[in-house]
Amino acid sequence: EPEVTQTPSHQVTQMGQEVILRCVPISNHLYFYWYRQILGQKVEFLVSFYNNEISEKSEIFDDQFSVERPDGSNFTLKIRSTKLEDSAMYFCASRPRDRDTGELFFGEGSRLTVL
Amino acid sequence: DAKTTQPTSMDCAEGRAANLPCNHSTISGNEYVYWYRQIHSQGPQYIIHGLKNNETNEMASLIITEDRKSSTLILPHATLRDTAVYYCIVRVFSGSARQLTFGSGTQLTVLP
Repeated sequence: EPEVTQTPSHQVTQMGQEVILRCVPISNHLYFYWYRQILGQKVEFLVSFYNNEISEKSEIFDDQFSVERPDGSNFTLKIRSTKLEDSAMYFCASRPRDRDTGELFFGEGSRLTVL
Repeated sequence: DAKTTQPTSMDCAEGRAANLPCNHSTISGNEYVYWYRQIHSQGPQYIIHGLKNNETNEMASLIITEDRKSSTLILPHATLRDTAVYYCIVRVFSGSARQLTFGSGTQLTVLP
């Protein structure tokens, strides 16, 4: 069964460093999402992406965040200058364009630890 | 999107049916009820969704009351692997990239 894959599974970084989290969505999917979950808290929406542009973003997704689809398969989340409060699980999700059943396919997540 | 209310936690004996309730009294006519679950910090997993008719798939059944103000997710024969946080989400069925909003959900613990 096709799945969304994310790398790295865990990254430890120093505060102020740049981090890139990578996602390979399911191949025929055209809508892409990033969510995050701080330990013990809710799953929070960050951004959605379609047709090479951001469709929707939350208040969390400020100027330190950016997303990119550099090629036909990868979808990346960049955090320019990490802060302690960026420590969280980051989930990528995707869905096909031709139908919106509300079913998002999530990856297993990338755990980011900022020291 | 309409707000949902779920119990914080529930227990269920292995092999028995798990019935997870959700209240969504302000649901609009064009809003669907979706259920997702999250097993121990893994990525959320879609379970089922419905508008007003009861729905069943290989994972679960969804029962929506006639007034659509509440619903119940039923796992017919719960196993230990069904221990997870279950999220009830109300959302407009949309062709856009519109996101899902997750609440706190119900922590279901299946007991041996």
